[in-house]
Amino acid sequence: KAGVTQTPRYLIKTRGQQVTLSCSPISGHRSVSWYQQTPGQGLQFLFEYFSETQRNKGNFPGRFSGRQFSNSRSEMNVSTLELGDSALYLCASSYWGSTNEKLFFGSGTQLSVL
Amino acid sequence: AQKITQTQPGMFVQEKEAVTLDCTYDTSDQSYGLFWYKQPSSGEMIFLIYQGSYDEQNATEGRYSLNFQKARKSANLVISASQLGDSAMYFCAMRPGLPGANNLFFGTGTRLTVIP
Repeated sequence: KAGVTQTPRYLIKTRGQQVTLSCSPISGHRSVSWYQQTPGQGLQFLFEYFSETQRNKGNFPGRFSGRQFSNSRSEMNVSTLELGDSALYLCASSYWGSTNEKLFFGSGTQLSVL
Repeated sequence: AQKITQTQPGMFVQEKEAVTLDCTYDTSDQSYGLFWYKQPSSGEMIFLIYQGSYDEQNATEGRYSLNFQKARKSANLVISASQLGDSAMYFCAMRPGLPGANNLFFGTGTRLTVIP
């Protein structure tokens, strides 16, 4: 069974641009969540999608958005990029997103904003 | 408020020895899940072990075991027979017990170095 797949692996953008990251969950998984990892703030939850609906959202500005498609694949978008958005963005999936489920991560997308 | 605390920024262990990585958590939820992940320098977050708050037995996955002490709110990871490939960052995380709450709260991590 293939794991969680994130593309692209690396991205370089300039301030003010926008970016879209993609995540394909493990086959059969319906919950996809996104995390931002920075040296200063550590790992922080961005949002979670289940059956194409956003169920949870972390404390991030509206420039960060996401969506989920009917095949459970998810994308996240960051508009008007700032230098502080440079981070490793990790996607994770599970079947239901319930408390007693294991959660599996992808390899991440390393975003650098210049 | 949910909080995960890992008090060991770095740990060293001799190859083939066992090591314990500490994790304490704070939550008012009765139902929650606890995770340990390994993050090598490549960046991927590798699932190691999971413990549910209502699980009576400590979780084990191969060389990994979780020492769960609910009253003390601690969930320490024990790695037996350390290998060089175990050198990595290790994160403890908690998922609160809200329905559909797939948001994890992470600790700051412990960097483990295995010495040959």
